[in-house]
Amino acid sequence: QQQVKQSPQSLIVQKGGISIINCAYENTAFDYFPWYQQFPGKGPALLIAIRPDVSEKKEGRFTISFNKSAKQFSLHIMDSQPGDSATYFCAASQETSGSRLTFGEGTQLTVNP
Amino acid sequence: DAGITQSPRHKVTETGTPVTLRCHQTENHRYMYWYRQDPGHGLRLIHYSYGVKDTDKGEVSDGYSVSRSKTEDFLLTLESATSSQTSVYFCAIRGYLGYTFGSGTRLTVV
Repeated sequence: QQQVKQSPQSLIVQKGGISIINCAYENTAFDYFPWYQQFPGKGPALLIAIRPDVSEKKEGRFTISFNKSAKQFSLHIMDSQPGDSATYFCAASQETSGSRLTFGEGTQLTVNP
Repeated sequence: DAGITQSPRHKVTETGTPVTLRCHQTENHRYMYWYRQDPGHGLRLIHYSYGVKDTDKGEVSDGYSVSRSKTEDFLLTLESATSSQTSVYFCAIRGYLGYTFGSGTRLTVV
């Protein structure tokens, strides 16, 4: 059972453009929604996270938008750079059940110069 | 990655042999996790631990066992390796700022 669905599977953006990755979840008990960035040969690294009491969180060029009623959240990367080329994973967890993260399938982002 | 190391980084093993992967943390965190990463599946939880000798199954635990005899070490054992267990395995700890992942172990079962 895939509780977190992520799209698109791959994304190509020009330098300076906006990258948008979307995720949808099923379990309404989820209360923590992080995004991870992974470069080849490395483990995923926490990029930004949000809790359902806010609809948006911004850190530098990265913004999470959260829609609780639709059970969806998205990552926006503004002014995308070639160094942002990586695989991005959304995830969700319920803090009261061991904080076990359930991950989306991942999005391979390529930012062309 | 700071505070968490996995060993070995790469391993090739034969079908039917037991394999143990090690995760070591220096952060003294209570929660530790083992995930596997496969194309098209993201990361899937195998087992996790919420303290010494306290472990529980994740969504893909069949064929795997774990042990945690010390806070700093979390071992993942493939009891009898199969080709379907060829994957990249990641260990993670849960700290105050969220999960920190190790650099992974690439396991190939031939």
